Amino acid sequence: QSVLTQPPSVSAAPGQKVTISCSGSSSNIGNNYVSWYQQLPGTAPKLLIYDNNKRPSGIPDRFSGSKSGTSATLGITGLQTGDEADYYCGTWDSSLSANWVFGGGTKLTVL
Amino acid sequence: QITLKESGPTLVKPTQTLTLTCTFSGFSLSTSGVGVGWIRQPPGKALEWLALIYWDDDKRYSPSLKSRLTITKDTSKNQVVLTMTNMDPVDTATYYCAHRMVANHYFDYWGQGTLVTVSS
Repeated sequence: QSVLTQPPSVSAAPGQKVTISCSGSSSNIGNNYVSWYQQLPGTAPKLLIYDNNKRPSGIPDRFSGSKSGTSATLGITGLQTGDEADYYCGTWDSSLSANWVFGGGTKLTVL
Repeated sequence: QITLKESGPTLVKPTQTLTLTCTFSGFSLSTSGVGVGWIRQPPGKALEWLALIYWDDDKRYSPSLKSRLTITKDTSKNQVVLTMTNMDPVDTATYYCAHRMVANHYFDYWGQGTLVTVSS
């Protein structure tokens, strides 16, 4: 059971928009920056969004991130078949046993 | 250009100790603020953070695995080593190492991963 909760799967048609939620608590998302990772089939995770809403160089602006309270959201517009992947949120958990935590992952299917 | 690559055995027996090496380039673990972490992913399952080591030898471990993990660094070889004792079939996973800066709240560069199977 992951500390951060994500929906197991989402789907949408090419060209459409989709959002993926990541729910946590005050000890993690509520007081720390959130990052998002894209994992294409058979590959290593890749940083997609950092500091809640910033995109690394080379990441198209179709990808966006936001945070409100103890939840974060990844948005993807203009869906492409190449966006089919697993998406993970991650953040630091500042509880007594301080540690890094990931969400359970969300599989995006582009129909 | 930052790169990381994991290496180690592909198969270990239950109760054995796993030793994985992360060899990196493009940065130094003697530079202030630099860190390297280990993350694993069982087949078909989610990412799980294991451990982190920083330039100043500060070490952090997953609370649930802390008793079984040891992370060390060899600055001269640009390597980070993770050992995990008492391996079990549930530890079968792809193990990744990744770069992080202490001031940054994310892992920005990842290795390709190495699959470790635990089986007798």
